[in-house]
Amino acid sequence: EAGVAQSPRYKIIEKRQSVAFWCNPISGHATLYWYQQILGQGPKLLIQFQNNGVVDDSQLPKDRFSAERLKGVDSTLKIQPAKLEDSAVYLCASSSRPTSGGQEYFGAGTRLSVL
Amino acid sequence: AQSVTQLGSHVSVSEGALVLLRCNYSSSVPPYLFWYVQYPNQGLQLLLKYTTGATLVKGINGFEAEFKKSETSFHLTKPSAHMSDAAEYFCAVSFQGAQKLVFGQGTRLTINP
Repeated sequence: EAGVAQSPRYKIIEKRQSVAFWCNPISGHATLYWYQQILGQGPKLLIQFQNNGVVDDSQLPKDRFSAERLKGVDSTLKIQPAKLEDSAVYLCASSSRPTSGGQEYFGAGTRLSVL
Repeated sequence: AQSVTQLGSHVSVSEGALVLLRCNYSSSVPPYLFWYVQYPNQGLQLLLKYTTGATLVKGINGFEAEFKKSETSFHLTKPSAHMSDAAEYFCAVSFQGAQKLVFGQGTRLTINP
């Protein structure tokens, strides 16, 4: 089966610019996650969707970050305006059984550099 | 607060030597436990997981981990390291009833020839 697809793989922007990332989860996976992975750290959950509804966005900096999953399939994560500290890898993951120990499947990530 | 800690941000072993990566969690209820591996410029790949049943779990690439409730640990081992094992390893927990993973800070494994 096809894995989690993310684009772009790399993005370089200047601070105060905006940027968007796209994710297409594994077909049939109702749960979709966006993580931020800063260099040298473990992934940190930004937002979790169940179909097209938000389950958890407690760690999403809502003044500058937004995410949507309008049709319950693919998703976009936007940063506007970007700050230097947003430089990180943004990982998308999906799961079919999140509450019963089902694994999360990860995409390759988008590496963002904010200059 | 529920958390997961990986002891040692960097572990270096010789090729053929035992690999031991440590993971401890903090929770009053045993969680679901995972080990993921991340190769450079790639996403995370599941090595193994524990949900219920046998506490010794075998995963891919010869790795295994043992859940020890009394020690709140889930250490990852491999009897003989291979050069291809060089990567970043993450321990993660999913607390029962929750739908998300909490990751440790990661351990970078280096294999010396």
